[in-house]
Amino acid sequence: AQSVTQLDSQVPVFEEAPVELRCNYSSSVSVYLFWYVQYPNQGLQLLLKYLSGSTLVESINGFEAEFNKSQTSFHLRKPSVHISDTAEYFCAVSGSGGYQKVTFGTGTKLQVIP
Amino acid sequence: DTEVTQTPKHLVMGMTNKKSLKCEQHMGHRAMYWYKQKAKKPPELMFVYSYEKLSINESVPSRFSPECPNSSLLNLHLHALQPEDSALYLCASRQGSSGGNSYNEQFFGPGTRLTVL
Repeated sequence: AQSVTQLDSQVPVFEEAPVELRCNYSSSVSVYLFWYVQYPNQGLQLLLKYLSGSTLVESINGFEAEFNKSQTSFHLRKPSVHISDTAEYFCAVSGSGGYQKVTFGTGTKLQVIP
Repeated sequence: DTEVTQTPKHLVMGMTNKKSLKCEQHMGHRAMYWYKQKAKKPPELMFVYSYEKLSINESVPSRFSPECPNSSLLNLHLHALQPEDSALYLCASRQGSSGGNSYNEQFFGPGTRLTVL
């Protein structure tokens, strides 16, 4: 079984300040890890993913996440947020092989304050 | 074409109505998914189709009936729904299993926002 915990339901942060959204996972097998972003009234967009290799993964819009196996974490960071980053962020885990069922965390609402 | 489309965008229905949600992709993906997302909650998996066959049903009530008429289309037929079924219904597709432990990303559609009165 696999599960994801996002400890923070809401994170308010001032524009141009750094932010970290926390994610911890548990699984008995090797996993793939993801961050999805959902803007209001829209579907999910994949922000970044960790499959293997380098533990630091980056997105095209300045977000990065680091896979830490010993701490079973995959925290999302951005050094300077913009108003347009206001959205719901979901951490997710998927097993390898089979139907690759994705299990989502409960989400973190990032509220960027001007 | 690298997107998943869903119609309608919004749907309001009564508890005695019969309606259908539609999902379409032209990426050649062979796995398709239905998720249900309640407000301020994460998406929850409902069904998985793999090569047009129903592979996973996450104990979804029979008032939801999925259908995969071909490899590009996925429908969700709705009948006798309850107000608590009001939610955003998301469709996703994936290339499909190619054996081994290779991973294929799930692509999500924009969703259909369903309101049951």
